[in-house]
Amino acid sequence: EAGVAQSPRYKIIEKRQSVAFWCNPISGHATLYWYQQILGQGPKLLIQFQNNGVVDDSQLPKDRFSAERLKGVDSTLKIQPAKLEDSAVYLCASSLARVVGTNEKLFFGSGTQLSVL
Amino acid sequence: DAKTTQPNSMESNEEEPVHLPCNHSTISGTDYIHWYRQLPSQGPEYVIHGLTSNVNNRMASLAIAEDRKSSTLILHRATLRDAAVYYCILRDVLRGGADGLTFGKGTHLIIQP
Repeated sequence: EAGVAQSPRYKIIEKRQSVAFWCNPISGHATLYWYQQILGQGPKLLIQFQNNGVVDDSQLPKDRFSAERLKGVDSTLKIQPAKLEDSAVYLCASSLARVVGTNEKLFFGSGTQLSVL
Repeated sequence: DAKTTQPNSMESNEEEPVHLPCNHSTISGTDYIHWYRQLPSQGPEYVIHGLTSNVNNRMASLAIAEDRKSSTLILHRATLRDAAVYYCILRDVLRGGADGLTFGKGTHLIIQP
């Protein structure tokens, strides 16, 4: 079974530039999450989708970050403009859960490592 | 959300059992105890979860204290491939709303050959 696919694997940009990350969840997984992991810390949830609707984006810095999941499958996370403190690994995860709160386990991709210079 | 407390790091020898502790003194009755681990340069992966009873699977065992204020992840025979950061997470799925996992800093497990 194919896992969660993310691209690119690495990205280096200068501050104030924009960047986009792509995620393809496991086939049939209705719930999709984006996490940010700063070096030395645990992953931090940015946004959760249920199909193509947003369930939780309370920790997403909406002045610069945006995410979409238009057809309820693939998702993109964008940063515009990037700041130095956005340097981190951006992880995408998916789960089978079709209804919020069913305790399905999460499957994570390998992430995109972003360096902002 | 209820918090968990884990040691920053632990060291063990290869082929020996490893007991990774987690304290969660403010756990609620509907909090599930989840364990994930993160190998170097990879995303986290699910290990095990439980509510009240001890749980076993092919990766590990989870021992839950009777008062549920602490739990222990047991790796029965550690290998070098078990070197990772292990996260103990509480997840209240009956609360409703968003159910994304809240990660702490976890325990960095070092395995010596």
